[in-house]
Amino acid sequence: GAVVSQHPSWVICKSGTSVKIECRSLDFQATTMFWYRQFPKQSLMLMATSNEGSKATYEQGVEKDKFLINHASLTLSTLTVTSAHPEDSSFYICSANGRPSGSSETQYFGPGTRLLVL
Amino acid sequence: QKEVEQNSGPLSVPEGAIASLNCTYSDRGSQSFFWYRQYSGKSPELIMSIYSNGDKEDGRFTAQLNKASQYVSLLIRDSQPSDSATYLCAVLRGGGADGLTFGKGTHLIIQP
Repeated sequence: GAVVSQHPSWVICKSGTSVKIECRSLDFQATTMFWYRQFPKQSLMLMATSNEGSKATYEQGVEKDKFLINHASLTLSTLTVTSAHPEDSSFYICSANGRPSGSSETQYFGPGTRLLVL
Repeated sequence: QKEVEQNSGPLSVPEGAIASLNCTYSDRGSQSFFWYRQYSGKSPELIMSIYSNGDKEDGRFTAQLNKASQYVSLLIRDSQPSDSATYLCAVLRGGGADGLTFGKGTHLIIQP
C-alpha cells in the first residue's frame, strides 16, 4: 500500500518556540495532503487541506497564522506550529491521497507526530 | 455541520464471536465511507472502504452501507484479541480535495 512518513515522531519544546513537522508521500505523488489533530480520547479533527503550489485551506477555528502550511512539492507538505503553547500539545497526523494499483482514491495516514509544549 | 456518530463503547466481545460496529452520518451528500482501526498511540490504519449501498467483504471484515438510512456498519468475524482497538468511522463528501470527517470511534475489546 501507499506509504506516508512524518518527521519527527516526537517533539518536546518550550512555550513560545516554533516547531516544523514534515509529511512525505514515499511512493506516490500527492497533489493534496491533509493535516489532522487528535487530542487525548478525542477523534481526529481536520485542521487544513494542503494543496501543492497553492495556499492551504483551513477549517473553521484553525488559525492560519499560527499553523503555517507549505506544500512545496508533490511529495512534501510541512506544518509549522508557530509560538507554540501548552494547549497546542497534541497528536498531529498528516494524510495524503493515493490511488494504489489503480484502485479508488484513498487517504493514507502518516504515523503521526506527538507534540508536547512545556 | 457534518457529523459522524459512533457509540464510544467499550464494546466487549468474546474471542471468536462477531463484533458489530455502527456509525451514522448527517450529511446526505456524503459519497465515500471508511473504517479505520487505531491502536493506542498510533495513527489510523485503513480497514475498509465502501462507496455503494450493500455489503462489501474483505477477509474477516464486512462493511455495510445504507445511504437511505445514513448508516454504515462494520462486522468483524472470528474476532481475535489483536482486533482490540478503537475503530473510527470516516465519511468523505466529495472527491480528493476533501478531508475526512471522523466519528469519535468505538473502543472494541476482544476477550480471550
